Amino acid sequence: AQKVTQAQTEISVVEKEDVTLDCVYETRDTTYYLFWYKQPPSGELVFLIRRNSFDEQNEISGRYSWNFQKSTSSFNFTITASQVVDSAVYFCALSEAVGGATNKLIFGTGTLLAVQP
Amino acid sequence: EADIYQTPRYLVIGTGKKITLECSQTMGHDKMYWYQQDPGMELHLIHYSYGVNSTEKGDLSSESTVSRIRTEHFPLTLESARPSHTSQYLCASISGSYNEQFFGPGTRLTVL
Repeated sequence: AQKVTQAQTEISVVEKEDVTLDCVYETRDTTYYLFWYKQPPSGELVFLIRRNSFDEQNEISGRYSWNFQKSTSSFNFTITASQVVDSAVYFCALSEAVGGATNKLIFGTGTLLAVQP
Repeated sequence: EADIYQTPRYLVIGTGKKITLECSQTMGHDKMYWYQQDPGMELHLIHYSYGVNSTEKGDLSSESTVSRIRTEHFPLTLESARPSHTSQYLCASISGSYNEQFFGPGTRLTVL
């Protein structure tokens, strides 16, 4: 069965601190996708990144970086020099590969990040 | 920028009312989804569609129903709303080439 675990329910940091959000997944598929979404207080889900299971290169986008490690089934997300605008709930998600039966997303329970000024 | 729309954004209704939550996308995506998000933040798939005239139930049992008469439109209906239906409902569609799900802004439903 597919499962995504985000063990950190809430994290509070002070502005300019670095923060890492953990994500551990389970799947029997050999090909799959991993995602991170941001949900600000307004409620919409904002896509941040997609990573396929064949690509273990770490990725950096501005202050955001992602560390994908297949050996530990983890896909962690780091925000460098956090800002108040980063305050949101962050979801990690897993789906089967393109062409799969449903391509549905299996979400973790989310991590609420509060960045204090 | 994703072109997926949901209306209404907020809805407060009384028990027993029939409601329809609208979802439309202009990207020509075949696969569309409805997720329910409880106040405890977890999202669960309740319905999905592969294309016109195709609908399937998701992982979480739901008393709602959906239809897919046109590619761009995937409405969700509750025949008789109850307080247990209070939740946020998020609609999504998928880009077939990249498996990226685009989400609408959501509908926050409160049933009194």
